[in-house]
Amino acid sequence: QKEVEQNSGPLSVPEGAIASLNCTYSDRGSQSFFWYRQYSGKSPELIMSIYSNGDKEDGRFTAQLNKASQYVSLLIRDSQPSDSATYLCAVKGNTGFQKLVFGTGTRLLVSP
Amino acid sequence: DAGVTQSPTHLIKTRGQQVTLRCSPKSGHDTVSWYQQALGQGPQFIFQYYEEEERQRGNFPDRFSGHQFPNYSSELNVNALLLGDSALYLCASSYLTEYIQYFGAGTRLSVL
Repeated sequence: QKEVEQNSGPLSVPEGAIASLNCTYSDRGSQSFFWYRQYSGKSPELIMSIYSNGDKEDGRFTAQLNKASQYVSLLIRDSQPSDSATYLCAVKGNTGFQKLVFGTGTRLLVSP
Repeated sequence: DAGVTQSPTHLIKTRGQQVTLRCSPKSGHDTVSWYQQALGQGPQFIFQYYEEEERQRGNFPDRFSGHQFPNYSSELNVNALLLGDSALYLCASSYLTEYIQYFGAGTRLSVL
């Protein structure tokens, strides 16, 4: 079992729709969760961080965390073609170290 | 305020050679982490440096080594290059007491 799992996609949505990206993790003690966006050939850019159960909203983005189910998701409302990218889920364990474990990413395609 | 800077942007080496990659962290950050990202994969943690010492190491062989300087900048060295070392090498900086890591643009290494 991989430590962090994501559907590789591609996830195709029309412009203006809601894109839903999902991630599961295996370390039940994980404390911190991050979503990064990565355009082709570029480096990861932080979109959202979430540390406690529930929802966290930032503009068009909402991160959702359910530690009991070991599940974290990212919702993108009013999707735009510029949102087309690979979205990486990253998890930090419950140690004092900052090592991030990444999933393989979900490729999102938003069509005009 | 400069973000995380990495050099060089691209590098071509042959098998058996050695390479050094450089990273300057975001202003004020004291911790540097290095990741390797193969094509189509998520970043894999190599190691992390704080106060000029390696704090944590991922599952990489001893051919991968690093250094952190008093000004918090860092180097990643890879000896005896293999074809499989071809990847995007990412540097991320952060505060030791915070969990959010910011990535540089990366160095794309090609081993021929």
